[in-house]
Amino acid sequence: NAGVTQTPKFQVLKTGQSMTLQCAQDMNHNSMYWYRQDPGMGLRLIYYSASEGTTDKGEVPNGYNVSRLNKREFSLRLESAAPSQTSVYFCASRGRGDEQFFGPGTRLTVL
Amino acid sequence: QKEVEQDPGPLSVPEGAIVSLNCTYSNSAFQYFMWYRQYSRKGPELLMYTYSSGNKEDGRFTAQVDKSSKYISLFIRDSQPSDSATYLCAMSAGYTGGFKTIFGAGTRLFVKA
Repeated sequence: NAGVTQTPKFQVLKTGQSMTLQCAQDMNHNSMYWYRQDPGMGLRLIYYSASEGTTDKGEVPNGYNVSRLNKREFSLRLESAAPSQTSVYFCASRGRGDEQFFGPGTRLTVL
Repeated sequence: QKEVEQDPGPLSVPEGAIVSLNCTYSNSAFQYFMWYRQYSRKGPELLMYTYSSGNKEDGRFTAQVDKSSKYISLFIRDSQPSDSATYLCAMSAGYTGGFKTIFGAGTRLFVKA
């Protein structure tokens, strides 16, 4: 039982490049989330998926797209990376309760 | 004004001290209150969860909620160096279509041996 896994752990991009962050959970949870964490800003919700086949914008969705591929997997795509997207990205999932289970994070630097 | 306010610290205490971490909030719709602990370069993990005013105790940790003042606290007794981490408060409210969870910015805690 791995919980929530994320790949890659680290990534450096140049401005304008694209990439996809991968997330998978093995807890059979319906809801999945993508957050970014910046110093002094806490966790800010980018996108979430309440169930397979649905996605909704969070607080800071601009510059990102998501895909809920199946119940296990929820990916985050940066189509044209900008330095303002330098951050640590966390994926999380939630079952029937309020607890969210977080992955280990992806540290992204955009030059 | 942010919906959830949390002092970022850092807070530095000697081993064995009692630690008090706090958050205030403005949205009276919040019903569920949580504390997450985040070690350096790791994801947050749930530490305490409560949904009513009053105290909830779990070992050395006590979560306190005062809905009338919109104020929540986390107390750590007999603090240990292993408690050194960032502590994030979080609050949830249900709405048509799902839940909304807001996280505080986190307080960095250092416990010195």
